[in-house]
Amino acid sequence: GQNIDQPTEMTATEGAIVQINCTYQTSGFNGLFWYQQHAGEAPTFLSYNVLDGLEEKGRFSSFLSRSKGYSYLLLKELQMKDSASYLCAVLDSNYQLIWGAGTKLIIKP
Amino acid sequence: GAVVSQHPSWVICKSGTSVKIECRSLDFQATTMFWYRQFPKQSLMLMATSNEGSKATYEQGVEKDKFLINHASLTLSTLTVTSAHPEDSSFYICSARPGTDSYEQYFGPGTRLTVT
Repeated sequence: GQNIDQPTEMTATEGAIVQINCTYQTSGFNGLFWYQQHAGEAPTFLSYNVLDGLEEKGRFSSFLSRSKGYSYLLLKELQMKDSASYLCAVLDSNYQLIWGAGTKLIIKP
Repeated sequence: GAVVSQHPSWVICKSGTSVKIECRSLDFQATTMFWYRQFPKQSLMLMATSNEGSKATYEQGVEKDKFLINHASLTLSTLTVTSAHPEDSSFYICSARPGTDSYEQYFGPGTRLTVT
C-alpha cells in the first residue's frame, strides 16, 4: 500500500528553527509537495521537489532524498504566524497526490 | 494568478436536503478538478477527480449517487451533496490543476457544511 508518515505535532519557539520530516512509500514517484494549512482554511502551496537536494525559498527550505524515501521542510526564524499544519504529499505513478496526515506546528513565544 | 474560488464558504442545511457547492478557477483553465473532504484534525481525503466533459472518477468508499460532481466547463465544477445527513458535515475543499506540465494543485478556500 501507499503510506506517508509525518509527526502528528511539533512545538518550537519563536525565532528558532524547526525541521518537519516526511517519509513515504508510494507506487512510483513524480514529486513531493509541501503545503501549509491554517485552521479552517484551505492548503497553500509551499514547495515542490522532484530531484534530490535542497530547495530554498526565503525562510522555508525543502529537502528530498528519493533513495531514502525522505523529505523534510525546514522553517527558519519562526514567527507566530507559522503556527499551522504542514502537509506532505507525494505524486505517485498515476500522478495522483497521496497526502500525509499533516504535522501541527505550535509556535510558543 | 492561479486563483480558485468556492461558493458558498459555509452552509447550514437540514437533514434530507441537497446542497450544491461551486468551484471556479478564476484566471486559468482547469482540465482537472479535485474534490476533498476534511474532518477536524484529519488530513485531506480525496473524494473524486473530475475532468472537463467527462464523468468524475470516485475514490473507493465514496458514493457517486450521493456526491454528484459535474465539471461542465474548464472553469467550473460543482459538487452536490444529496439527501444530506449530519455525518456529511465536514469541510469540503476543491482544487484545480491547469492543463500544463505542472502537477501543482491550486486550492479553493473551502466550504464548511453543517447538516442539522
